[in-house]
Formats: sequence, structure tokens, C-alpha cells
Amino acid sequence: EVQLVESGGGLVQPGGSLRLSCAASGFTFSAFEMNWVRQAPGKGLEWVSYTSTSGSTIYYADSVKGRFTISRDNAKNSLYLQMNSLRAEDTAVYYCARDGKPYWYFDFWGRGTLVTVSS
Amino acid sequence: QSALTQPASVSGSPGQSITISCTGTSSDVAGYNYVSWYQQHPGKAPKLIIYEVSNRPSGVSNRFSGSKSGNTASLTISGLQAEDEADYYCSSYTSSSPYVFGTGTKVTVL
Repeated sequence: EVQLVESGGGLVQPGGSLRLSCAASGFTFSAFEMNWVRQAPGKGLEWVSYTSTSGSTIYYADSVKGRFTISRDNAKNSLYLQMNSLRAEDTAVYYCARDGKPYWYFDFWGRGTLVTVSS
Repeated sequence: QSALTQPASVSGSPGQSITISCTGTSSDVAGYNYVSWYQQHPGKAPKLIIYEVSNRPSGVSNRFSGSKSGNTASLTISGLQAEDEADYYCSSYTSSSPYVFGTGTKVTVL
């Protein structure tokens, strides 16, 4: 069974940093592209970042470019999101989502982890 | 990249059919057959219900169907059931970044 479990969320002050993790199981993690998607409270979904299977191709939404860094460790079946210079508008539930095959849709999602940016 | 446009809400009675539209541009919906749809119940993670415009993943009810014409994609739910009450989001591949989501539609079963 495919499982994606996010962790690392919490309360952080504006300007602070946080690192999210996503532990994958039930499939060959190294064979799938991965993404982070977020949802602000009461709002819609927003794609945040994408990484190819090897991490050699990475994309970011304009809203996080230069502040967030996506990475993966295929040996540990894990996806990460390093978030720096956090702003109030980054407050959201962050989901880890697997790319479907061949590409360009999300076939499995984690349950999400809540990040709250507030003083 | 601007969000794709969806109606804020759609409603229908049990057994009826409803259609949710998702309007984009030549850079996303019209340009590629990579439109997908997601169902999200309150407090839950989104769930894939349609990919590549009209394909249903295994285990998804055949009451859900997708189509596309020009820059507008559509999700139709036939034989509406109480369990279909949820938020629905479209998504498309785009030429400027891999993904853009729609604004979301709340489906109410009357």
C-alpha cells in the first residue's frame, strides 16, 4: 500500500525556517517524481515544488522561489522541503504528492502537515 | 501563473447529474491533455478522480467522467450521491511551470 507521511510542521515566527519531511513507503520511491502542494486555511490548493526522480530537475512556484528548497534522499525513501524566510502567507497545510505515470498528475497524497507562521 | 477558473459552487439533487467547468488558456488546458481532477472532503487530503482529461483511476466510480473542449475542461458527476458532497479541484500542466490548480468548486447535494 502506498503511504506518504509528512512531518515537521509547527508554529514558526515570521522570518524563521522550518524543514518538512515526507516518508514514503509501499512503492519504489526512486522511480517517481514528487511534489509539495499546500493549502492555506479555508483556501484552495497551490502547487509549491516538483523534483524529478534523481533531483536533477526541480521547479518552484513563483511565490516560494528563492526561499524554499526541495530535495530527496532515495536511499531513505524521503522527500524534504526546506522553508526559509517564512511569511504569514506561507501558513498552510503542506501535502506531499506523488506524480502519476507517465506524468503531470498527482496520484497519491499524504495527509499533510500544518505550518503556521505567526508572531 | 494564474489559477484556472472554476465556479465557486454547484449543487444538485440526489440522482441528478452536475458538471463543473475548469477554464484556462492556450498555455495550459487548451495546450495539453494533462488535465486532472481531485475530490477533497473536509479535513482530508485530496483524492485523484480523473487524469489526462478523461481517464479514471482504478477504484473510482464510473459516475465521474471528464472531457475537454478548447480551453475548458469539465467534470461530470452523474447519479449524484450524498457522499459526492465535497470540494473539487482541476489541475493542468502548464508551459511556464509544471502545475496550476483551479480555484475549486464546492459541490452541495440538496
